[in-house]
Amino acid sequence: EAGVTQSPTHLIKTRGQQVTLRCSPISGHTSVYWYQQALGLGLQFLLWYDEGEERNRGNFPPRFSGRQFPNYSSELNVNALELEDSALYLCASLGLNQPQHFGDGTRLSIL
Amino acid sequence: GENVEQHPSTLSVQEGDSAVIKCTYSDSASNYFPWYKQELGKRPQLIIDIRSNVGEKKDQRIAVTLNKTAKHFSLHITETQPEDSAVYFCAAPPWGGAGNMLTFGGGTRLMVKP
Repeated sequence: EAGVTQSPTHLIKTRGQQVTLRCSPISGHTSVYWYQQALGLGLQFLLWYDEGEERNRGNFPPRFSGRQFPNYSSELNVNALELEDSALYLCASLGLNQPQHFGDGTRLSIL
Repeated sequence: GENVEQHPSTLSVQEGDSAVIKCTYSDSASNYFPWYKQELGKRPQLIIDIRSNVGEKKDQRIAVTLNKTAKHFSLHITETQPEDSAVYFCAAPPWGGAGNMLTFGGGTRLMVKP
């Protein structure tokens, strides 16, 4: 069974640019979660999508947004990038009564 | 919402010793408690989980205990090895069990010294 896949693996951007990160959940999982993990710190919840709808949002500004497609894959968009957006962005997927499994993440560096 | 607190934030043990990491949660409706291990530069991986109908679960050198009355659960690692060095996260759902969003503890950096 394929796990959660994320792309790209690494990204380097400059301040003010926009970025799109992608996530494909485990087959059969309908929920996708996005987390931000700054270097050496914990997992900060960003967004939760289920069945194509945004279900919950963490304490992040509106320039962090996303969507979930009919095939349950998801995108995370970050506009007007700031230096403090440098982090590992993790996607996790979840099925009914199943544990949450993480992808390998996208490491975003802002110069 | 759910509040999960994890202690200690760092833990250093000698190879072969035991390590214990503790978490408390706030929502009495939570009934599923996973633990994740994150090695440097890698994704968090589920290592063990427990549901509220049991008080303890073991898998080789790791075990998790749950006290629902006190709303705390702990990860126990016996006979630690250098490859156990990682950051460990506990988590709990703000409602219900597996299949729900999780609130994570702040993490514990475990260092096993050879």
